[in-house]
Amino acid sequence: DTGVSQNPRHKITKRGQNVTFRCDPISEHNRLYWYRQTLGQGPEFLTYFQNEAQLEKSRLLSDRFSAERPKGSFSTLEIQRTEQGDSAMYLCASSSRNLGDANYGYTFGSGTRLTVV
Amino acid sequence: ELKVEQNPLFLSMQEGKNYTIYCNYSTTSDRLYWYRQDPGKSLESLFVLLSNGAVKQEGRLMASLDTKARLSTLHITAAVHDLSATYFCAVASFSGTYKYIFGTGTRLKVLA
Repeated sequence: DTGVSQNPRHKITKRGQNVTFRCDPISEHNRLYWYRQTLGQGPEFLTYFQNEAQLEKSRLLSDRFSAERPKGSFSTLEIQRTEQGDSAMYLCASSSRNLGDANYGYTFGSGTRLTVV
Repeated sequence: ELKVEQNPLFLSMQEGKNYTIYCNYSTTSDRLYWYRQDPGKSLESLFVLLSNGAVKQEGRLMASLDTKARLSTLHITAAVHDLSATYFCAVASFSGTYKYIFGTGTRLKVLA
């Protein structure tokens, strides 16, 4: 297992289109987080899964956003009717315990950079 | 609502110099994390600080946590060009589910 994998790495889409991103966490990690990072800012929490249950959604996650984690394995984040303001890096992280490993915290994926034109 | 502030936001320093990045947070927390991010890349864990007075060092970087002051520092000793990156602190939030709240980041540029 080589870590948290995210696909695609980059996505350019036209305004109004739908996009879906995928995150494959480290296999033994039952906790999965999505964050959004806009240019020059720190990552902002979007949502959290423990196994297949979505336990928290940020107010940043409008009705156009939906996330799933079927069977508690990989997760998808879908954005419908994309807007230019959705342009950002979408980061996925996983862990096996609350607040991550005691030595290094969460493990983050490489992210998916979304550009809405 | 937990808020995390870092300063400075930008830091340009000469090689060989020392400097400190500050991370202040607004509500009680006893866990703090430092991450490094290179341009276009993801977040690399640097330090996990789990209690008041915790100090950790790795190479030219040393991090400390004062939970009473709600302050963490990341001290850079004798900076080298390879340390150029953006540094984020993240504070553990216990509101709702446990999660990290990130600071705005400090963009460090070390000049040769």
